[in-house]
Formats: sequence, structure tokens, C-alpha cells
Amino acid sequence: EAGVTQSPTHLIKTRGQQVTLRCSPISGHTSVYWYQQALGLGLQFLLWYDEGEERNRGNFPPRFSGRQFPNYSSELNVNALELEDSALYLCASSAPGSGANVLTFGAGSRLTVL
Amino acid sequence: GDSVTQMEGPVTLSEEACLTINCTYTATGYPSLFWYVQYPGEGLQLLLKATKADDKGSNKGFEATYRKETTSFHLEKGSVQVSDSAVYFCALSDQGAGSYQLTFGKGTKLSVIP
Repeated sequence: EAGVTQSPTHLIKTRGQQVTLRCSPISGHTSVYWYQQALGLGLQFLLWYDEGEERNRGNFPPRFSGRQFPNYSSELNVNALELEDSALYLCASSAPGSGANVLTFGAGSRLTVL
Repeated sequence: GDSVTQMEGPVTLSEEACLTINCTYTATGYPSLFWYVQYPGEGLQLLLKATKADDKGSNKGFEATYRKETTSFHLEKGSVQVSDSAVYFCALSDQGAGSYQLTFGKGTKLSVIP
């Protein structure tokens, strides 16, 4: 069974640019979570999608947005990149009804903003 | 709101030494508690979990007991190996209080030297 896959694995952008990160959940999983892991800050919750709807978002500005597609894959978009957006972005998925009690994480997309 | 506090790292131990990483939490409901591990260059993996008071989670020689009276979930291992070198994250989910994402501590980096 394939795990949670994320792309790209690494990318470099400059301030002001926009980036799109992608996540494919485990087959049968309907929820997707996005987390930001910035140096020294631990993991910060960004967004939760379930059945195509945004269910909750963390304390991040509106330039962080995303969506979930009918096949349950998800995109995270970050507009007007700032230096402090440099981080590892982790996606996780869970099966219907299990919520955050059984999350499977991907390996992440490492974003560097210059 | 919910929060997790874990001991600051880094922690450096010799092989076969005993490990304890302290974790305490604050939650409004009755959370489930987790330890995740992140090996270098990888995403997070669930190490163990406990869903109610006095439950003990265990995996790969690691153990943690859900202590409601002290709001703690300390991670222990009797004899660490070099392969245990990683970052360890304590986390909680408070679905009973309507919080459907994981709240993480800042992580503790463990280095085990031969």
C-alpha cells in the first residue's frame, strides 16, 4: 500500500513568489491535514480538509490556502512568499471517522525562500 | 487552548543508557496522547499512543503512560541504541472538545553515541 506522497520534495523560491505543494493521501483516506515545521518552532497546524471541505485552519494568514479534490488529494498554496515561510511542509491523512487519532504523514516538501 | 510542553533538547546519551523525555499537556477535554518520531530526512512516524487515563502505549522498546493526575505522558526506554537517534514529538488530539487536529510539542532531539 502506498503511503502519503508529497511533491515536490525540495524547492527554492524568492520573496513575493507563489508556491503550490501537493499531497496524495493513502487510498481510502478522506481527510488531509497540513502542518508547517519551521526551524525551532515545532509543528504548527495549518489546514484540515475532509470530504472536499475545509474543516479547520490554524493561526496563519490568508495567503496560506488550499483545497481538496474529489479524489481526496490536496494542494497547499502560499502566495506572496516571505523569508519566514521557509520550512518543511508536512501532509498527513486519516481514514473516515478516525480523525487525528490515526494520522499517517508524508515525508514533506522542504521550501526555501530566498 | 490545548498545548503540549516537552523537555528541551538536545539530549545526548551513550548506547544502552536509559531514556526519559518529559511531556506535559493542557487540554480542555479528555485528549488522546501520542509520541511521534522523525528520523533524519524523513516525515513523522507514530511511535505509540494512549487514548485514556492509565493506558500505557508501547512500541520498539519505548513506553509511555497516560497520567491524568499529573497531565503527563513521559517517553521512556530502558536501553537506547544508535538507531534511536531522531527527533521525538509529544502530541495530543482533543476530539472530544471538537479539536480534530494534533497539537504538537516542539520536539526533543535525541543523539545516541556508540
